[in-house]
Amino acid sequence: EPEVTQTPSHQVTQMGQEVILRCVPISNHLYFYWYRQILGQKVEFLVSFYNNEISEKSEIFDDQFSVERPDGSNFTLKIRSTKLEDSAMYFCASSPDRSWQYTIYFGEGSWLTVV
Amino acid sequence: GEDVEQSLFLSVREGDSSVINCTYTDSSSTYLYWYKQEPGAGLQLLTYIFSNMDMKQDQRLTVLLNKKDKHLSLRIADTQTGDSAIYFCAESYEKLTFGTGTRLTIIP
Repeated sequence: EPEVTQTPSHQVTQMGQEVILRCVPISNHLYFYWYRQILGQKVEFLVSFYNNEISEKSEIFDDQFSVERPDGSNFTLKIRSTKLEDSAMYFCASSPDRSWQYTIYFGEGSWLTVV
Repeated sequence: GEDVEQSLFLSVREGDSSVINCTYTDSSSTYLYWYKQEPGAGLQLLTYIFSNMDMKQDQRLTVLLNKKDKHLSLRIADTQTGDSAIYFCAESYEKLTFGTGTRLTIIP
């Protein structure tokens, strides 16, 4: 079964450092998402991406965050200058079509710890 | 804004049925979902229901939707130890909004 893959699975970084989280969505999917889950809290929407541009973003997704699809397969989330409160599990997801929301597939997540 | 609420914990004896409840506020939700998260793992889509349906059954899983009360439930029949996980309710209109998750513990 096709799956969304994410790297790294865990990363520890120092406050103020830049972090790039990588995702390979399912190959024929057109919509890509990043969600995050702070330990013990809800899974929160960060951003959606379609046709090489941001489709929607939440209040959390401020100027410190950016997303990119640098080639035909990878979808990245960059945090420019990490803060302690960025420590969370970050989930990448993809779906074939926005209107077919039920077929959103999530990756295993990337644990980010900012120290 | 949209809000989805769930109770945090549920303990059930092995072999019994588990019922996990969820309430949501967004009446324009098109789909409602149940995701399962095992320790250290990602979010696995268990089942979903379209907002104009009342019930959906899928093997051991039964989803009930009361749109008037904005209440969604997931029933797991014959609960097994492998069902131990956190279960997230989520609703969508244009993006997914998740609940807090319910940690299901199975008592042998």
